[in-house]
Amino acid sequence: GQNIDQPTEMTATEGAIVQINCTYQTSGFNGLFWYQQHAGEAPTFLSYNVLDGLEEKGRFSSFLSRSKGYSYLLLKELQMKDSASYLCAVRDLNTGTASKLTFGTGTRLQVTL
Amino acid sequence: DADVTQTPRNRITKTGKRIMLECSQTKGHDRMYWYRQDPGLGLRLIYYSFDVKDINKGEISDGYSVSRQAQAKFSLSLESAIPNQTALYFCATSDSTGTSGPDTQYFGPGTRLTVL
Repeated sequence: GQNIDQPTEMTATEGAIVQINCTYQTSGFNGLFWYQQHAGEAPTFLSYNVLDGLEEKGRFSSFLSRSKGYSYLLLKELQMKDSASYLCAVRDLNTGTASKLTFGTGTRLQVTL
Repeated sequence: DADVTQTPRNRITKTGKRIMLECSQTKGHDRMYWYRQDPGLGLRLIYYSFDVKDINKGEISDGYSVSRQAQAKFSLSLESAIPNQTALYFCATSDSTGTSGPDTQYFGPGTRLTVL
């Protein structure tokens, strides 16, 4: 089985940097995904990490440490439109397939002026 | 046009009714999934299909059934709806060949279902 933990809510100021953490426990790790979800809308794919280190994509970066079971999503130069929930999802190698994801409950980020 | 579509987008029904939610995709992906989302519980997998003849139960399949009529279509049925099936339902697709990334899942717009 898997256990994924992320903070429930965070608040940050427009223009600032925010880091959203995700810790996980899994019997067979095969990748970690970050999704953004605006209220009432579909989750949209942000980033993917399977090896240790930082993946940068514009204002968003994601970091992974497999030995620590830890990832974070870093959002720079925050904009009001970044107010959303951010979902951490882990893919488990031992499910018999390589495609099943387990999602955390999400971190609701509010960006304020 | 959206790559993954879901119909209906909103549905209100009564306890005991049979409901079908439909999902279609034009992404050409082989894998399709149904999730439900409840406040505070995150996304939970109901059923998934890796090909037309392949159906697999997820973590919360009781009370649901699915049909993969074609590669592009995956339907979710509630045979006898009950109030605790009130939720936001999402369909997702992914590509196992890796040509469009690491089997990333892409989501439809969701169906908001209310069971009275």
